[in-house]
Amino acid sequence: QKEVEQDPGPLSVPEGAIVSLNCTYSNSAFQYFMWYRQYSRKGPELLMYTYSSGNKEDGRFTAQVDKSSKYISLFIRDSQPSDSATYLCASPGGGADGLTFGKGTHLIIQP
Amino acid sequence: GAGVSQSPSNKVTEKGKDVELRCDPISGHTALYWYRQRLGQGLEFLIYFQGNSAPDKSGLPSDRFSAERTGESVSTLTIQRTQQEDSAVYLCASSRARSNEQFFGPGTRLTVL
Repeated sequence: QKEVEQDPGPLSVPEGAIVSLNCTYSNSAFQYFMWYRQYSRKGPELLMYTYSSGNKEDGRFTAQVDKSSKYISLFIRDSQPSDSATYLCASPGGGADGLTFGKGTHLIIQP
Repeated sequence: GAGVSQSPSNKVTEKGKDVELRCDPISGHTALYWYRQRLGQGLEFLIYFQGNSAPDKSGLPSDRFSAERTGESVSTLTIQRTQQEDSAVYLCASSRARSNEQFFGPGTRLTVL
């Protein structure tokens, strides 16, 4: 079992819809969580960074962490075609100095 | 300000050749990371530098891989005797000292024929 799991998609939704992207993790040592957005042939871009359980909001993006169920979510409100990208969840810890990433979910917002 | 830069952006090489990939971190970022992203896979952590020191090299896939860093600036990842399975995008990231917020470069797309 990978330490961070994501459904690879693709997830296709119409413009304006609310998008829900999810990750599960297995390592209880994970305390911090990040969401990165990666456009095709580009490097990942940090979107959100959370520590505690609960919600963190930044514009149209809301990150949610539920440590009791080891479940993290990213919600995108009023989705735009420019949100079409691969979304990666990640966490430090797990015995390595780098981040442990999920495989990413490919999101397509249809105009 | 300038972000993380990597060169070359694309590299095509023949099996058995050596390649050198370069990363310029954000100015003032003392920590530097290398990752590999194979097609359809998540990012795989390779190595971390704090300053010019890499305390743990166990993430490097084989002894054909090596990395070095000059002070708190440029880093190079060298792959010797490249194999087809080395084909991937190699990403570099930097952060302030042991911050969890890592900022990535655009990557080097390596193709081994």
